[in-house]
Amino acid sequence: AQSVSQHNHHVILSEAASLELGCNYSYGGTVNLFWYVQYPGQHLQLLLKYFSGDPLVKGIKGFEAEFIKSKFSFNLRKPSVQWSDTAEYFCAVNAFQTGANNLFFGTGTRLTVIP
Amino acid sequence: DSGVTQTPKHLITATGQRVTLRCSPRSGDLSVYWYQQSLDQGLQFLIQYYNGEERAKGNILERFSAQQFPDLHSELNLSSLELGDSALYFCASNPGGVAEYNEQFFGPGTRLTVL
Repeated sequence: AQSVSQHNHHVILSEAASLELGCNYSYGGTVNLFWYVQYPGQHLQLLLKYFSGDPLVKGIKGFEAEFIKSKFSFNLRKPSVQWSDTAEYFCAVNAFQTGANNLFFGTGTRLTVIP
Repeated sequence: DSGVTQTPKHLITATGQRVTLRCSPRSGDLSVYWYQQSLDQGLQFLIQYYNGEERAKGNILERFSAQQFPDLHSELNLSSLELGDSALYFCASNPGGVAEYNEQFFGPGTRLTVL
């Protein structure tokens, strides 16, 4: 069965610090990969996605992620965080050819940015 | 705003009761997905409907059921409610079909509290 691991449960950073959130998945076949963000009291919004092609994908608000197939990883990065980035971040995987299309989510990483 | 709407926003009920959560997908989307978000289980996929038919099933309890109507809105029915069913229930949609493995667009959620 597919699983998604997010290693950091809670990350606290000062504004302007760099961010990297880890995400690993367990499926060996073709995958689509996503990072979603959930701001306090709001619904999940798509930050970025990887389907194929360039493994370095850029998303909204200055976020990017790199797909490393050999490591089954899809880490999220941002060079300089802002207070408004305080939110919960979810990595998700949609695995092809499993007979069931649904997103497998990691447990989420709460990011707190201190002004 | 993702274009996915959910009602009600909040629901407070007692153990043993039955509730119905409603979701309207984005215009043109044929697939509807239901997820449960709780503190201990994270985001869990419950069930998917595509154009009125059940397409995939996840960790959905037998006390829970769903349907998708001809106008494509969906309802999630939760019965014999237990304290542990307290959670945020999200609906998501996407076009389905060949775009089934693309990103899903999430609604604002319904927060269910079982007392």
